[in-house]
Amino acid sequence: AQTVTQSQPEMSVQEAETVTLSCTYDTSENNYYLFWYKQPPSRQMILVIRQEAYKQQNATENRFSVNFQKAAKSFSLKISDSQLGDTAMYFCAFMVIQGAQKLVFGQGTRLTINP
Amino acid sequence: KAGVTQTPRYLIKTRGQQVTLSCSPISGHRSVSWYQQTPGQGLQFLFEYFSETQRNKGNFPGRFSGRQFSNSRSEMNVSTLELGDSALYLCASSTYPGSSDTQYFGPGTRLTVL
Repeated sequence: AQTVTQSQPEMSVQEAETVTLSCTYDTSENNYYLFWYKQPPSRQMILVIRQEAYKQQNATENRFSVNFQKAAKSFSLKISDSQLGDTAMYFCAFMVIQGAQKLVFGQGTRLTINP
Repeated sequence: KAGVTQTPRYLIKTRGQQVTLSCSPISGHRSVSWYQQTPGQGLQFLFEYFSETQRNKGNFPGRFSGRQFSNSRSEMNVSTLELGDSALYLCASSTYPGSSDTQYFGPGTRLTVL
């Protein structure tokens, strides 16, 4: 069975700062996807960034980038130049390729960006 | 393209009743997955449907069931509601199982059981 752990329940930074959210996972699978999803207060879950495990290059989407360390089973999210709209719950998630369309989520990190 | 839609958005029921939630996936998406989100347990996988067939089910009692129609719309049903069933129920769609596509989520149905 796969597990995903987010060790930071809450984080708070000032606007324009850089923040890194941590995620570790445990699996015996070799081919999988990792995701970061964002869930703003009272709004729906949206995809932030995705990483395929077979790709060595870290994924980047504008101000969002990941540090994927496959051997260490670590998948952290870096948000650069943070904005007030980045305030949300952030969930790290795992899914096996060619398996069930089933995401395994971490418990989430509540990120607050302060003006 | 319209996103994933879920109806109703809010629902209040009493213990012992049953409830049906609906999910319409993104046009062209044929795979639908359901998740339960609670403060205590977080996000947990309920089940996955593709081509009107349940492909996988999470660790939930038989009171939780679902189905998928030929147009890929999906419903989930919870019978004999318990207080612990109060949660946000999220539906997500993707093109098809095993694809490299991402799951896209709907806004959820917030169920309150009194």
